[in-house]
Amino acid sequence: QITLKESGPTLVKPTQTLTLTCNFSGFAFDTRGEGVAWIRQPPGKALEWLTLIYYNGEKRFSPSHQSRLNIARDTSRKQVVLTMTNMDPVDTGTYFCSHMSYTFSSGYRYFDSWGQGTRVTVSS
Amino acid sequence: DIQMAQSPSSLSASLGDRVTITCRSSQSISKYLNWYQQKVGEAPKLLIYAATTLQTGVPSRFSGSGSGTEFTLTISSLQPEDLATYSCQQSYTTPWTFGPGTKVEIK
Repeated sequence: QITLKESGPTLVKPTQTLTLTCNFSGFAFDTRGEGVAWIRQPPGKALEWLTLIYYNGEKRFSPSHQSRLNIARDTSRKQVVLTMTNMDPVDTGTYFCSHMSYTFSSGYRYFDSWGQGTRVTVSS
Repeated sequence: DIQMAQSPSSLSASLGDRVTITCRSSQSISKYLNWYQQKVGEAPKLLIYAATTLQTGVPSRFSGSGSGTEFTLTISSLQPEDLATYSCQQSYTTPWTFGPGTKVEIK
């Protein structure tokens, strides 16, 4: 059974850097096409994909936030870390980490397991 | 970016009703379309991937159809536990994008 859990600060000040950690279990993170993503949701709004790191260390970023984002993994500690610089009040929301699966035969990708999410408020 | 639109934005239906939600993409995405259910205060849950494939453990009253730019999620017989917001998501190309959601309420 795959589980993920996010942790990090609940309150950050504008211009500060947000660092969130995703602790995962139930998968080895060594399967072709497998990934761990960060997805956020402002209050009352739609989900927004931010970034993903693949099993082989390759990274993908949303162009809208690429200059502010980094993602890293520590497979031995079963962690994926999100870093987002220059935080602004519009970045307030719930941040989820999610496991992405991949079907080799057809190339379908989907987020099949999610953490409970962590709420982040950006305010001075 | 590929834009995802959903209709309606909300609906109210009676228990046992058949419910249909539509998702449209701004360009063709073949069948690279996933559906999620999100209950208040919870994380999203994958219902359907590849437009029509039911995720393991999801009740068979949920089904998906479509390809190209138009997709539907159908609940064949609405149950009390289906109170939630349903979102579509394209996995055709990055940035992967989600629809704005459809809130389903019980009459």
